[in-house]
Amino acid sequence: NAGVMQNPRHLVRRRGQEARLRCSPMKGHSHVYWYRQLPEEGLKFMVYLQKENIIDESGMPKERFSAEFPKEGPSILRIQQVVRGDSAAYFCASSPLPAVDGNTIYFGEGSWLTVV
Amino acid sequence: AQSVTQLDSHVSVSEGTPVLLRCNYSSSYSPSLFWYVQHPNKGLQLLLKYTSAATLVKGINGFEAEFKKSETSFHLTKPSAHMSDAAEYFCVVRTAGGTSYGKLTFGQGTILTVHP
Repeated sequence: NAGVMQNPRHLVRRRGQEARLRCSPMKGHSHVYWYRQLPEEGLKFMVYLQKENIIDESGMPKERFSAEFPKEGPSILRIQQVVRGDSAAYFCASSPLPAVDGNTIYFGEGSWLTVV
Repeated sequence: AQSVTQLDSHVSVSEGTPVLLRCNYSSSYSPSLFWYVQHPNKGLQLLLKYTSAATLVKGINGFEAEFKKSETSFHLTKPSAHMSDAAEYFCVVRTAGGTSYGKLTFGQGTILTVHP
């Protein structure tokens, strides 16, 4: 059973371009979370999605950022018109159920975005 | 609201000596608590988790943590450090209420350095 797969692992974008980060959850997992890790900081929650639904996007910046988890295919985190402050590691995580007590959330290896 | 405070941003030990990484939490409900480890440019690996069962939790690679409700602490320990333990460690609390099960709140991280 493959783990949570993220791609690309490293992405370089010029200011103003778009960045798309993909996440394939573990097999059988229908709940996906995105976290951002800025340099020298811990991980910050961005968004929680189920198939075709956004459950909680309280951590998403109001502009330029969007996320989706379609019925088929990976979850996508999209950043439009990137700025240098978007440079960070973006981690995807998945779980098989709403992560109630005892369930664990599994993390991918992250996607490192560099904006030049 | 929930929060996590890791009391040391950096800890340095000699190989073979004990490790103590300190974590205090704040939670309105009985929390689920986790320790994750992150090696440089890698994803997050779960070390151990507390979910209201035994207060002394054993994890992988010889790590363990004790949940102390009276002190609101969840310190991570290991009797004897190994060079391969050098990494960044995150104490994490899980949202216990509402629809956002799985919304993890991360501490700022503690970088562990192990000297030969």
